[in-house]
Amino acid sequence: TAGITQAPTSQILAAGRSMTLRCTQDMRHNAMYWYRQDLGLGLRLIHYSNTAGTTGKGEVPDGYSVSRANTDDFPLTLASAVPSQTSVYFCASSDGGDPDTQYFGPGTRLTVL
Amino acid sequence: GQNIDQPTEMTATEGAIVQINCTYQTSGFNGLFWYQQHAGEAPTFLSYNVLDGLEEKGRFSSFLSRSKGYSYLLLKELQMKDSASYLCAVEDSNYQLIWGAGTKLIIKP
Repeated sequence: TAGITQAPTSQILAAGRSMTLRCTQDMRHNAMYWYRQDLGLGLRLIHYSNTAGTTGKGEVPDGYSVSRANTDDFPLTLASAVPSQTSVYFCASSDGGDPDTQYFGPGTRLTVL
Repeated sequence: GQNIDQPTEMTATEGAIVQINCTYQTSGFNGLFWYQQHAGEAPTFLSYNVLDGLEEKGRFSSFLSRSKGYSYLLLKELQMKDSASYLCAVEDSNYQLIWGAGTKLIIKP
């Protein structure tokens, strides 16, 4: 079972360019999440989706957008990248059980220059 | 505001026991998670506490005191592969996870 996959593994992006980070899960989990992880800070939630067709804003949504057209895919788009968006991005999913444990993808390391 | 505090770094010896503490102040509480994250990898689930007391899972145990806003992760019989960061996260009243910055655990032979 693949679990959660993310692409690309890493990327260097020029400031002002747009980019979509891809996330796909094969566990049929309803909920999916995007986090960023920066040195010295905890994981911070960017956007989430409780089920296909719905999305919500997390703690740090500015500069990012998401869509959830189906259960498996949850892409994250940076419309016009800025250097402060340099980070490691993790996608996660959960099945709504008790506990509602989140399972993480391998991450995308993004550098914006 | 919401806050999760953990020590930044700890060092322990192979074969020994180490306790990693986590204190939290959050808007509501629906459970506390511990995750392990090796360098350059994804976080992986270790344990969950929602009631006061100790949960044991092999070499790892996790304790919770809701009245004190406090949890700890206890790792016994430390192995070199336990060198990793340990992340504490609290599920708040909106059922969103609030994450601590993590504790980097260094194991020495």
